[in-house]
Amino acid sequence: KAGVTQTPRYLIKTRGQQVTLSCSPISGHRSVSWYQQTPGQGLQFLFEYFSETQRNKGNFPGRFSGRQFSNSRSEMNVSTLELGDSALYLCASSLVPGNEQFFGPGTRLTVL
Amino acid sequence: GQNIDQPTEMTATEGAIVQINCTYQTSGFNGLFWYQQHAGEAPTFLSYNVLDGLEEKGRFSSFLSRSKGYSYLLLKELQMKDSASYLCAPHNTDKLIFGTGTRLQVFP
Repeated sequence: KAGVTQTPRYLIKTRGQQVTLSCSPISGHRSVSWYQQTPGQGLQFLFEYFSETQRNKGNFPGRFSGRQFSNSRSEMNVSTLELGDSALYLCASSLVPGNEQFFGPGTRLTVL
Repeated sequence: GQNIDQPTEMTATEGAIVQINCTYQTSGFNGLFWYQQHAGEAPTFLSYNVLDGLEEKGRFSSFLSRSKGYSYLLLKELQMKDSASYLCAPHNTDKLIFGTGTRLQVFP
């Protein structure tokens, strides 16, 4: 069974631009969570989607948004990028919320 | 509020035993996950404790005390490949909350 995939793996953007990251969960998994990881802050929860609905949201500004499609694939979008948005963005899928989460390899975003 | 506390760094010798402690405060606690993350890689699942007590899985064991808001991960017969960050993640009714992790370095 294929694991969680994320595209792109690496991305370089400039301040003010917007970016869309994609995540394909493990087949059969319906819950997708997104995290931001930085050296100083660790893994910070962004949001969780289940059955195309945002179930939970972390303490991030409205510039961070996401969605989930009927096939459980998910995207997250960051608008008006700031230097501080440079981080590893990890997606994790689980069968349903609360189950063991399987992480994708992440997208490394660099904002210049 | 929600708070997770674990040591930032630990060192140990190959073949030794190391215990990584985690204390947490969270509402609506359901269980606690431990994840391992090697540098530059994604976290991978190690264990999940729901009830009090010790769960053993090969060289790794995890303990939970719900009343004390305390968990530990025990690694036996340490190997060089165990050098990684270990993330404690309590799960409440809403989501997983990750600590900043404990970076373990294993020396020969």
